[in-house]
Amino acid sequence: DAKTTQPPSMDCAEGRAANLPCNHSTISGNEYVYWYRQIHSQGPQYIIHGLKNNETNEMASLIITEDRKSSTLILPHATLRDTAVYYCIVRDSGSARQLTFGSGTQLTVLP
Amino acid sequence: SAVISQKPSRDICQRGTSLTIQCQVDSQVTMMFWYRQQPGQSLTLIATANQGSEATYESGFVIDKFPISRPNLTFSTLTVSNMSPEDSSIYLCSATLWETEAFFGQGTRLTVV
Repeated sequence: DAKTTQPPSMDCAEGRAANLPCNHSTISGNEYVYWYRQIHSQGPQYIIHGLKNNETNEMASLIITEDRKSSTLILPHATLRDTAVYYCIVRDSGSARQLTFGSGTQLTVLP
Repeated sequence: SAVISQKPSRDICQRGTSLTIQCQVDSQVTMMFWYRQQPGQSLTLIATANQGSEATYESGFVIDKFPISRPNLTFSTLTVSNMSPEDSSIYLCSATLWETEAFFGQGTRLTVV
């Protein structure tokens, strides 16, 4: 699986959009971009994933650049409960394999 | 989606003893995994739990220390053997269906004293 690079930490004001970047310059054609988050003392929670098109669900939007070398997770209206570590993971979706977690981004939503 | 239950949610154990952690999934899943998360660190894969056969361990993890069972498609156990304070971590069970996102239990917080 390709390696990802994320900033170690970010702050965001409550009610504003949180934009979390991820670089995955070595991503291959059959690899998806997955985002998970881990709220303190809980197990990781799936947020969203995509291949090359932008994706949106009830939690977030995922914007993937045309060359697929980077992506941005957008939380449109961040709340205090969105404070968590966010992990960007690249994975081959052709098999049910394990996830390789990097260091992630600690997002702190400020009141 | 799948709901994963882990037991116990936390424990404090004496060094030299062993603890068995149980993971129950509410639906049949393809793959089950065990992760460790040391204090302040990210998740590290321990092993893939294979149904009816020996688990597949990652580098740095051995069966004698972390024996794993998976007797059926919905249940797995991880034992942390001969514990030392360095084994104090959160242990997480994960499951996935073919080509779907992975689901995680809430973890077992282990403290070894």
